[in-house]
Amino acid sequence: QQQVRQSPQSLTVWEGETAILNCSYEDSTFNYFPWYQQFPGEGPALLISIRSVSDKKEDGRFTIFFNKREKKLSLHITDSQPGDSATYFCAARTSSGQKLVFGQGTILKVYL
Amino acid sequence: EAAVTQSPRNKVTVTGGNVTLSCRQTNSHNYMYWYRQDTGHGLRLIHYSYGAGNLQIGDVPDGYKATRTTQEDFFLLLELASPSQTSLYFCASSDWVGGYPEQFFGPGTRLTVL
Repeated sequence: QQQVRQSPQSLTVWEGETAILNCSYEDSTFNYFPWYQQFPGEGPALLISIRSVSDKKEDGRFTIFFNKREKKLSLHITDSQPGDSATYFCAARTSSGQKLVFGQGTILKVYL
Repeated sequence: EAAVTQSPRNKVTVTGGNVTLSCRQTNSHNYMYWYRQDTGHGLRLIHYSYGAGNLQIGDVPDGYKATRTTQEDFFLLLELASPSQTSLYFCASSDWVGGYPEQFFGPGTRLTVL
């Protein structure tokens, strides 16, 4: 049972374009949503996160948009660079738990 | 300087074999986690621990044991390995700053069960 779902499975954009990665969830008790970035041969690393009390979080070229009513969020990467090519995981934490539930990931490729 | 290390980085074993994956963290974090990563499934939690001697069951625990011997060291044990356990395994540590965890991951161990 996949509690956190991501789409698309893979995404290709050109340098300079905006990449949009989507995430949805089922459990209304989820209250914290980190996005992790993973390069080949490495472990995931925290990129940006948002709490359910906010509807937007920005960090440089990376922005999370959060819609609590629809249980959806998205990661926007503006002015995409080849160095952004990686796998991106959306995750969620329940208000009572000490663990994260991860989505299946989106593979992003940015071409010159 | 790497705060979470894993060994071995690659392991090949046969069906029915006995495998131990090791993880050490120098973050002084209380929580440690074992995940497996498979295409189409993302990261799935196997076991986790909030201190030496503690063990919590994750979401996909079948066929795995784990032991936390110290605050720094967390081991994943496969006592009768099966081909379905061929995967990329990650260890992570975290602390709960302000109630919101950031997990720090190791570089992973690729396990192949023939």
